[in-house]
Amino acid sequence: EAGVAQSPRYKIIEKRQSVAFWCNPISGHATLYWYQQILGQGPKLLIQFQNNGVVDDSQLPKDRFSAERLKGVDSTLKIQPAKLEDSAVYLCASSLSQAPYEQYFGPGTRLTVT
Amino acid sequence: GIQVEQSPPDLILQEGANSTLRCNFSDSVNNLQWFHQNPWGQLINLFYIPSGTKQNGRLSATTVATERYSLLYISSSQTTDSGVYFCAVIRRGTDKLIFGTGTRLQVFP
Repeated sequence: EAGVAQSPRYKIIEKRQSVAFWCNPISGHATLYWYQQILGQGPKLLIQFQNNGVVDDSQLPKDRFSAERLKGVDSTLKIQPAKLEDSAVYLCASSLSQAPYEQYFGPGTRLTVT
Repeated sequence: GIQVEQSPPDLILQEGANSTLRCNFSDSVNNLQWFHQNPWGQLINLFYIPSGTKQNGRLSATTVATERYSLLYISSSQTTDSGVYFCAVIRRGTDKLIFGTGTRLQVFP
């Protein structure tokens, strides 16, 4: 079975520019997650979708970050405008919508903001 | 919230050595996963193991849920085992995956 797909793998932008990341989950996985991982730390959940609805976006900096999952399958995460502290790896994961919620992660997008 | 602590924080091994990584958690869980994050940043699922013992090649894991810890064993380590190992748990009654502090493993030839 195909894993979680993400693109691009790497992105370098200047501060105040905008950037978008794309994620396609494992087929049949209703729950999709976006995580931010700062170098040297564990991943931090930004937003969780169940189908095309938001379940948890309490850790998403909504003044600059937005995410959508319009058709309940793939998802995009956008940052506008970017700040230096947004430099991180952005990981997408998916799981079935019932316990035990075993999550599978994509390869990630490494963002550098200069 | 639940605390997830891993030890040791750093581990340096020579190829062929064995190692044990530990994950302690502070509350009851119904999901525990071990991941390997390779030098390119990808998180690779190693085990889903809320309780019991599993083995996959040179890796094995044991979780003792009643005592709130899990162990990851790596035997005959190889340079490709280098990276960061995370355990992550979901506290019973929630659906949020909480990551531990990680163990950074370096294996030298």
